Parts: sequence; structure tokens; C-alpha cells
Amino acid sequence: GAGVSQSPSNKVTEKGKDVELRCDPISGHTALYWYRQSLGQGLEFLIYFQGNSAPDKSGLPSDRFSAERTGGSVSTLTIQRTQQEDSAVYLCASSPRMGAVNEQFFGPGTRLTVL
Amino acid sequence: ELKVEQNPLFLSMQEGKNYTIYCNYSTTSDRLYWYRQDPGKSLESLFVLLSNGAVKQEGRLMASLDTKARLSTLHITAAVHDLSATYFCAVDGGQGAQKLVFGQGTRLTINP
Repeated sequence: GAGVSQSPSNKVTEKGKDVELRCDPISGHTALYWYRQSLGQGLEFLIYFQGNSAPDKSGLPSDRFSAERTGGSVSTLTIQRTQQEDSAVYLCASSPRMGAVNEQFFGPGTRLTVL
Repeated sequence: ELKVEQNPLFLSMQEGKNYTIYCNYSTTSDRLYWYRQDPGKSLESLFVLLSNGAVKQEGRLMASLDTKARLSTLHITAAVHDLSATYFCAVDGGQGAQKLVFGQGTRLTINP
């Protein structure tokens, strides 16, 4: 079946520009997560959506970062006024959240390069 | 703050040998996850360990969980080149948090 998809796969932007990253979760998965993977910081949690509940934004590194999830499915992560330190691979994951099990299925990622 | 530490971070081994990757975490948790990442690729779920004493095996890989020791191991038996990848362990964020907290990853290179 179809897995988690993300677009674009690569994004190169200039410092100060805004970028939008998109995630399509696995159909039927109620939970959606964004993580960031960079050489110096490993895998960092950014934000979590579960159904209609308020998102857990505790991992967003600054107010330049925001995310939304429309209709309980597709999510977009927006980074405003990008900085060079935002360069990383942004990974989206979804989970069916069966009981307490939190197995997450990851998309291929978006590699963001800020020049 | 929950910390997850893997050991070793880099491992180079010969085909046919056995080795173990260790994952220690700093808070109580009954659930631990192992992922594999190939270069330039995303994370692939390998094992979900849900209770103390859980053991799961897939091919040459076997994972176990000791929640009392806050330790999980990933054992590689008779390694083959195809197992070269980076392996991550992850633990639920705890205190109702839904995120996964990942270890630093172990980069495994298996030489012919």
C-alpha cells in the first residue's frame, strides 16, 4: 500500500525566504509527526497532530516554524524567514495509534538547503 | 529530560561476525522501537518491543528489551554486507508525550 509521501524531495532556498513542506500520511492514520534530522542534532521532534486535538508544538525551535493539518490528513510545515541553521532533512511520520503502541512510519523526507 | 544513548556510534565489522548494539534510556518505558536508515533514505521500522523481556527476531537481527535496566540490545548474527546501515533506537517521550525520542544512531559498516 501507499506509504507516507513528502514533497518536495529537495528544496534549495535563499536565506530569508519562506518555505512550505508537504506531507501526505498513510490513509487512516490518525497521528502525524514532523521531525528534523541534521548532522549535529540527530533526530529532533518538531510537532505532533492527533485527530482533532490541539497539536503538540513543544518541539518547534522558534516562532518562524509553524504547521497545520487540514481535514485530518495532509500537513504542511512552514518555515518563515529561513536561516542557514534550518538546513536539514525534514521527516514526516504517521501512526495508526493502536492503543499505546506508537510505531511510526516515516516518509522519504525533504532535504532543505538554505544558502 | 529523557535521554536515549546508543553504543557504539560507529561499528565496522567483518562479514560472518556477531555483534551487539546497545541502547540505554533514562526514564521508565515499556515500549522501545528500532529503526534502520540507509544512506539518503528514510527510516524503516524494524522492531517494536512492548514489554519487559520482549524479544523479537527477523533474519540475522534480534532485539530485546529489559525495562528494569532501561536497556535494549540489537544483536547481529553472522553479519552480511546488506545489513550495512544506520540503526536507531527510540523511546516514547513519556509523561503523555507522543513523540519518539531517538538515540544518536549506530552507523554499521560490514566489510566483505
